[in-house]
Amino acid sequence: EPEVTQTPSHQVTQMGQEVILRCVPISNHLYFYWYRQILGQKVEFLVSFYNNEISEKSEIFDDQFSVERPDGSNFTLKIRSTKLEDSAMYFCASRGLAGGPWEQYFGPGTRLTVT
Amino acid sequence: AQTVTQSQPEMSVQEAETVTLSCTYDTSESDYYLFWYKQPPSRQMILVIRQEAYKQQNATENRFSVNFQKAAKSFSLKISDSQLGDAAMYFCAYRSGEGGGSNYKLTFGKGTLLTVNP
Repeated sequence: EPEVTQTPSHQVTQMGQEVILRCVPISNHLYFYWYRQILGQKVEFLVSFYNNEISEKSEIFDDQFSVERPDGSNFTLKIRSTKLEDSAMYFCASRGLAGGPWEQYFGPGTRLTVT
Repeated sequence: AQTVTQSQPEMSVQEAETVTLSCTYDTSESDYYLFWYKQPPSRQMILVIRQEAYKQQNATENRFSVNFQKAAKSFSLKISDSQLGDAAMYFCAYRSGEGGGSNYKLTFGKGTLLTVNP
């Protein structure tokens, strides 16, 4: 069964450093998402991406964040200058066609630790 | 904006028994979808069940079923014959069905931690 993959599984970085989190969505999916879950808290929407552009972003997704689909398979989340409060689990998700119930399929997540 | 509320931070159940997890939501939309996701200790998000708002019939997936009360904006999850592997955090989530599809972000509740006792 197709699945969403994410790398790395765990990333440790120092405050102020740039990090890139990578995701490979399910191959025929068209809509891509990033969510964040701070330890012990709920999953929060960061950004959605369709047709090579951002379709919606939350207030969390400020200028320090960017997303890109550099080729036909990868979908990346970049944090330019990490802060301690960016420490969280980051989930990538993808979805198929428009409309309908088409579920979002989540990757296993990347645990980001900022020290 | 839509909100999702899970009023039970923790629940426990005996193996083989039945447990019901509560979820309420607030929306002014008429077209939407509701989901239950399971998050085991590995923290992977796994879809358990979904419900389309336009369907009156409650969704069922094996031992998992929902009680969808649209007027009350309630969406509870019932787990029958609970198994040790059901132990996890369970998140209720809302997704709009309006607006054309380019977004359709999920809005999650805070989760209910389910413990299954042998």
